[in-house]
Amino acid sequence: AQSVTQLDSHVSVSEGTPVLLRCNYSSSYSPSLFWYVQHPNKGLQLLLKYTSAATLVKGINGFEAEFKKSETSFHLTKPSAHMSDAAEYFCVAMDSSYKLIFGSGTRLLVRP
Amino acid sequence: EPEVTQTPSHQVTQMGQEVILRCVPISNHLYFYWYRQILGQKVEFLVSFYNNEISEKSEIFDDQFSVERPDGSNFTLKIRSTKLEDSAMYFCASNGPFQETQYFGPGTRLLVL
Repeated sequence: AQSVTQLDSHVSVSEGTPVLLRCNYSSSYSPSLFWYVQHPNKGLQLLLKYTSAATLVKGINGFEAEFKKSETSFHLTKPSAHMSDAAEYFCVAMDSSYKLIFGSGTRLLVRP
Repeated sequence: EPEVTQTPSHQVTQMGQEVILRCVPISNHLYFYWYRQILGQKVEFLVSFYNNEISEKSEIFDDQFSVERPDGSNFTLKIRSTKLEDSAMYFCASNGPFQETQYFGPGTRLLVL
């Protein structure tokens, strides 16, 4: 069965420093992978998606993620954190019946 | 930009009562979903719906749950007799014919007392 593991429940960075949110997946095939962000009291917003085209995927707000099949990873990065990036981030896989499998989420804190 | 909307944003109900959560998917989308997130737990799939019938449902989606598309725009989740453990955030999502990306609504926070 597919699963998604987000290795950190909380990540804290200073404004202007790089962000790394880690995600590993397990699947018998290369799934479609997504990162969603949830700001407080808001819905789930799509940041970016990987669907077997380019392995480096660029998303909104300067985020990007790299699909590495050999490591079964899909880590999310951003070169320079902004205060407005503080939110919960979900790594998500789509299974063969198109339903989404969520990781447990990583809460990103950005210190001024 | 089109978006998925959900009402109400919050609902408080007594155990044993029926609740209906409403969603308006993006207008040209064909596939509809409900997910829920119990506080402190993962977002989990409940049900998918296409062409006026359930495509797939999870173990959570028992006989107390039902979904309906009563008209061309609304997509509802009904819980017949709520339990304390139904307290959660419920998200509706939809996607288009290629099923590539699911777009989520803002959620309904349900509290069962």
